[in-house]
Amino acid sequence: GNSVTQMEGPVTLSEEAFLTINCTYTATGYPSLFWYVQYPGEGLQLLLKATKADDKGSNKGFEATYRKETTSFHLEKGSVQVSDSAVYFCALMGNNNDMRFGAGTRLTVKP
Amino acid sequence: SQTIHQWPATLVQPVGSPLSLECTVEGTSNPNLYWYRQAAGRGLQLLFYSVGIGQISSEVPQNLSASRPQDRQFILSSKKLLLSDSGFYLCAWSVRGAGKADTQYFGPGTRLTVL
Repeated sequence: GNSVTQMEGPVTLSEEAFLTINCTYTATGYPSLFWYVQYPGEGLQLLLKATKADDKGSNKGFEATYRKETTSFHLEKGSVQVSDSAVYFCALMGNNNDMRFGAGTRLTVKP
Repeated sequence: SQTIHQWPATLVQPVGSPLSLECTVEGTSNPNLYWYRQAAGRGLQLLFYSVGIGQISSEVPQNLSASRPQDRQFILSSKKLLLSDSGFYLCAWSVRGAGKADTQYFGPGTRLTVL
């Protein structure tokens, strides 16, 4: 079945550092790919998405490119801020409208 | 605009007691609905999803069940809670028939502690 494998955390960075959180997937057909963010004590919010190969999703300085050849959707940000501290989830939606999430990566950004 | 509600926000229940968590969506019709569980320090596990009234798909065998008595209402239930049922339960909805890139919108969650 479909699955998502996400870089394990926790990740701790200093403010303005470069961020990469790796995500790879296994799926049949052509899934849509998502990154969700969960701030402390809250539910999940969509951060960005991509629906087909080579699409780049971007939001709030975060980017991820749908790479079908490597089945990856790595999340990047050039300069993180303290306010980016949260748990980040990579997710995949298959053809049956069923969503699969990665285990989540906790990011802590220190001033 | 669309909103999704979950209640209660927190719940403490003894082992063996029943459970009923409710989720309702406003501002949209015929949504896909989902129940997830997030155990402490772990990722999200899809429990159930529904593409219409009375249509429920279960992802994992467990002592939980789900029902969709109305188009925008999704209920998670248990007859007898286990300690392992503790966790953060999230309801989500997505637009049905909008293509495969159906973004999911999450409710605020219910934190369940089983003692």
